[in-house]
Amino acid sequence: SQTIHQWPATLVQPVGSPLSLECTVEGTSNPNLYWYRQAAGRGLQLLFYSVGIGQISSEVPQNLSASRPQDRQFILSSKKLLLSDSGFYLCAWNTAGAGGRGGYTFGSGTRLTVV
Amino acid sequence: AQSVTQLDSQVPVFEEAPVELRCNYSSSVSVYLFWYVQYPNQGLQLLLKYLSGSTLVKGINGFEAEFNKSQTSFHLRKPSVHISDTAEYFCAVSPSNDYKLSFGAGTTVTVRA
Repeated sequence: SQTIHQWPATLVQPVGSPLSLECTVEGTSNPNLYWYRQAAGRGLQLLFYSVGIGQISSEVPQNLSASRPQDRQFILSSKKLLLSDSGFYLCAWNTAGAGGRGGYTFGSGTRLTVV
Repeated sequence: AQSVTQLDSQVPVFEEAPVELRCNYSSSVSVYLFWYVQYPNQGLQLLLKYLSGSTLVKGINGFEAEFNKSQTSFHLRKPSVHISDTAEYFCAVSPSNDYKLSFGAGTTVTVRA
């Protein structure tokens, strides 16, 4: 069966420090991968998505970047965190070629607090 | 492009009472529709989805939703809620010719005894 792992679960980082959040998917190959952010009371904001290794599309210009070094690994990074980067970060995947009919499967999320 | 509007940001409800969460969408192509639930500090979990066929869709935890193409709606209902249904609920739409989902802003359901 397919599973998605996201870590760490919680993170407290000082302003100006770097960030690396990791997401991995098991039990499937060539998934579409997504990073979302939830800020308090602001719903889900799509940050990045990837349809293949090294292929990253950015939805919103910001202080963050994403990389996909392996087929089932998706990394969200920042060189210098801002207070506004605080939020709940969610990774998700769906099956390439299935269109949108499968919906997404989400990871358990990372709560990032920038202090 | 698609858009999703969840008409209620917060819905308070008493235990064992019915609840309806409203969702409207707009799209120039046919769509797939989804409802997700998010418990505090957790990821989103799929409640149910409409792909085609019967417009009444049944999901997990006693939830159901009805697709109304003429009104472009996909409202979620549960006849009797429990305290454990307290959560945030998201409606989402995907065009049938694409793989990305668009999400509504979410509805927070608070169930009180």
